[in-house]
Amino acid sequence: AQTVTQSQPEMSVQEAETVTLSCTYDTSESDYYLFWYKQPPSRQMILVIRQEAYKQQNATENRFSVNFQKAAKSFSLKISDSQLGDAAMYFCATNAGNMLTFGGGTRLMVKP
Amino acid sequence: DGGITQSPKYLFRKEGQNVTLSCEQNLNHDAMYWYRQDPGQGLRLIYYSQIVNDFQKGDIAEGYSVSREKKESFPLTVTSAQKNPTAFYLCASSMWERGPQHFGDGTRLSIL
Repeated sequence: AQTVTQSQPEMSVQEAETVTLSCTYDTSESDYYLFWYKQPPSRQMILVIRQEAYKQQNATENRFSVNFQKAAKSFSLKISDSQLGDAAMYFCATNAGNMLTFGGGTRLMVKP
Repeated sequence: DGGITQSPKYLFRKEGQNVTLSCEQNLNHDAMYWYRQDPGQGLRLIYYSQIVNDFQKGDIAEGYSVSREKKESFPLTVTSAQKNPTAFYLCASSMWERGPQHFGDGTRLSIL
């Protein structure tokens, strides 16, 4: 069975600063994807960024980037130039095992 | 615009009653999923379907049932056997079995 762990229940960041959210996972598979989803107060689940496990290059989407360490099974999300609209729950997930397994989430607060 | 539509947005269930949550997608995706989210928690998989007329149990299928008679539709029935149905329910779809999932806006189910 796959497990995803987000060890930071809450994080806060000053507007325009940078914050990193942590995620570790466990799987015996070698071919899988990793995802970060954002869930704002509206409860929508929005895909932020994804990473293919076979790719060594870290994925980047505008202000969002990941630090993928396959051997360590670590997949952190870096948000640069934080904005008030980034305040939300963030979930790390993997599709190893043919199901999407989510971590428990990190609540990000952005201070003006 | 393509997307996933869940209805209703809010639903109330009486004791001993079965209720059905609707999920429709016009993304032409093969795979569809149902998740349950409890307050402050991540998502847990209830059922998923990779193709019409076929579906598989997820981690918490007891007390729930689904059907997949059409590619576009994947309704979830919360039966009276589900003793703690109060939660937020999210439907998702993906183009292929392990692809990135796109989510609907969710249905909040409460007990009267």
